[in-house]
Amino acid sequence: DGGITQSPKYLFRKEGQNVTLSCEQNLNHDAMYWYRQDPGQGLRLIYYSQIVNDFQKGDIAEGYSVSREKKESFPLTVTSAQKNPTAFYLCASSSRVSTDTQYFGPGTRLTVL
Amino acid sequence: GENVEQHPSTLSVQEGDSAVIKCTYSDSASNYFPWYKQELGKRPQLIIDIRSNVGEKKDQRIAVTLNKTAKHFSLHITETQPEDSAVYFCAASNNDMRFGAGTRLTVKP
Repeated sequence: DGGITQSPKYLFRKEGQNVTLSCEQNLNHDAMYWYRQDPGQGLRLIYYSQIVNDFQKGDIAEGYSVSREKKESFPLTVTSAQKNPTAFYLCASSSRVSTDTQYFGPGTRLTVL
Repeated sequence: GENVEQHPSTLSVQEGDSAVIKCTYSDSASNYFPWYKQELGKRPQLIIDIRSNVGEKKDQRIAVTLNKTAKHFSLHITETQPEDSAVYFCAASNNDMRFGAGTRLTVKP
């Protein structure tokens, strides 16, 4: 898990602003994922990408967008359409398919002021 | 899609006792079942996993059992220590991985 990084660690946003969370991995993994974590609710899948230039919506994609222009990078944009964005956001990657072990980044804690 | 339920949501044990966390899943095609440990404010870290062609796997004080017929799997921690205190997540995956809601384990010294 040392090969997957997220930035920033903490992020504050005013209502109505879009913000982008960074996720980078040097593990040569094909698949990357974004999860949202709220207290007592476990990890909920926002978006995932199995290959460059392709991504799919997860269970809670509304109000979020992603891109996958490079294998190493999978940024997540939290748009103003996301009604309750305050949460802990975790990025993960796995070797190829989703039945391979996922390794997580350290997370970004987003707070809307 | 897959749905994973995890019980209990909180678990408190005395140091040295065993702890058991149970999960059920809905998709009979799921074939990969990892367990993650998450300490406060940190990333989830894989502690053990099992695939559907195996019924049990053990790694020192940690073991996982899988019952495919009943679609449930369990995490067993023996000789618990205070440093085992954390939130534990189970997950099940076929094409998409889904996580349980987590169990907060507290080991009292």
